[in-house]
Formats: sequence, structure tokens, C-alpha cells
Amino acid sequence: DQQVKQNSPSLSVQEGRISILNCDYTNSMFDYFLWYKKYPAEGPTFLISISSIKDKNEDGRFTVFLNKSAKHLSLHIVPSQPGDSAVYFCAANGGSQGNLIFGKGTKLSVKP
Amino acid sequence: GAGVSQSPSNKVTEKGKDVELRCDPISGHTALYWYRQSLGQGLEFLIYFQGNSAPDKSGLPSDRFSAERTGGSVSTLTIQRTQQEDSAVYLCASRRLPGAYEQYFGPGTRLTVT
Repeated sequence: DQQVKQNSPSLSVQEGRISILNCDYTNSMFDYFLWYKKYPAEGPTFLISISSIKDKNEDGRFTVFLNKSAKHLSLHIVPSQPGDSAVYFCAANGGSQGNLIFGKGTKLSVKP
Repeated sequence: GAGVSQSPSNKVTEKGKDVELRCDPISGHTALYWYRQSLGQGLEFLIYFQGNSAPDKSGLPSDRFSAERTGGSVSTLTIQRTQQEDSAVYLCASRRLPGAYEQYFGPGTRLTVT
């Protein structure tokens, strides 16, 4: 039973436009959420995070929004650049030892 | 500073053989995690080490899998009698404690069992 779900396996966006990646979770006890970016043949790279006590966190072109009542978070990338093309993983801090619970990822393609 | 390193980067082995995967965490990070990513799947937690405490092995899929961490630093993940379903990318991550949630990943070891 998947506790973190990314329902869109892929997303294609034009350069300069907004990319919106979505993530849903089932466990209301999750207290911290993270987004990772992964290029082929590399490990995931930490991108941005948000605590469950906040509803928005912004870092440059990247903003994460959290809607606790809907158990939904989203990552906005504005403006999108071709170098943003990668697989994006949503993760929740939910394990008893701080292990992360990951979604299956969304492959973002930003076209020039 | 140096990030998390893993070796080998690729490993091809025959079914039934044992394999050892190595992880060097970021210096000063006391928490170390192993995950694996099978094709088309998210990352699956395997095992967690924190300082000198007993590891959390709750994610290990079978008793063919074991891991150790020597001196609170380097870790090895051992898979005995490998099976084809063990084929995956094995990722190691480290985390600074206390307080930080972010985990920093190595490049992974791609294991292929033929």
C-alpha cells in the first residue's frame, strides 16, 4: 500500500513556463516532506523541503506548497529550464527512524 | 566537502553468488541509510544505522540481506545467494543528526543478477 503517491509518471513543459509536480500522501502523521531531483546514473539530489507546520516554502525558482487537509503537496518550478529535465521524487519523513518514504517519481521534460 | 561515495558503480553477478556493496558517508553524518530502487519504482528503505545503536533492519526483504557499519563510518551491504529479483540500484544516504531531515545520497550501485 503506497503511502506517498505521484500519479503522473511524466510531464512535458515548454521552457520558460511553469512546471507543477504533484504528490499525495495517506498518513496524516507525516511531519516533513522533501523533494529530490534525480538525473540518470546519479543519486537523488535534495531540492527543497517543507515542515507540516507550514503551507509554503520558496527557494529561488522552486516553491513547495502543502495542503494538509487534502494530504497533498506540489512543487512549482518557475520559469522551467531545460536543465530541470530529470525525475522528481516526493518523499515524506515518516519512518520510526527517520527513513524517507518515497513516491515513484515524475519524469519532467522541459523542451527548448 | 566530499559527498557520499559508493562502490562499485556497477556489478554484474551470477545468480547464487554473494555480493558486497560499499558506502562511505559524509564525514560527521552519524545516520546512514540503505535504499534500493527497482525498475520503475520509488526508493525502498532497507536498513538504518545511527551511531553505535543497533541497526533498524525492518526494511530488509529477506535474511539473505545483511549490512554492517564499522567505526561509525563505512558501511557494507551484503547480499548472499543473489536472485534475479535482487537486480536494482542500491543507494546509500547519510544524514546529519540531530535536527536535520535531509538525507544526502551517493550515486548508487547498479546490481544486475544474471
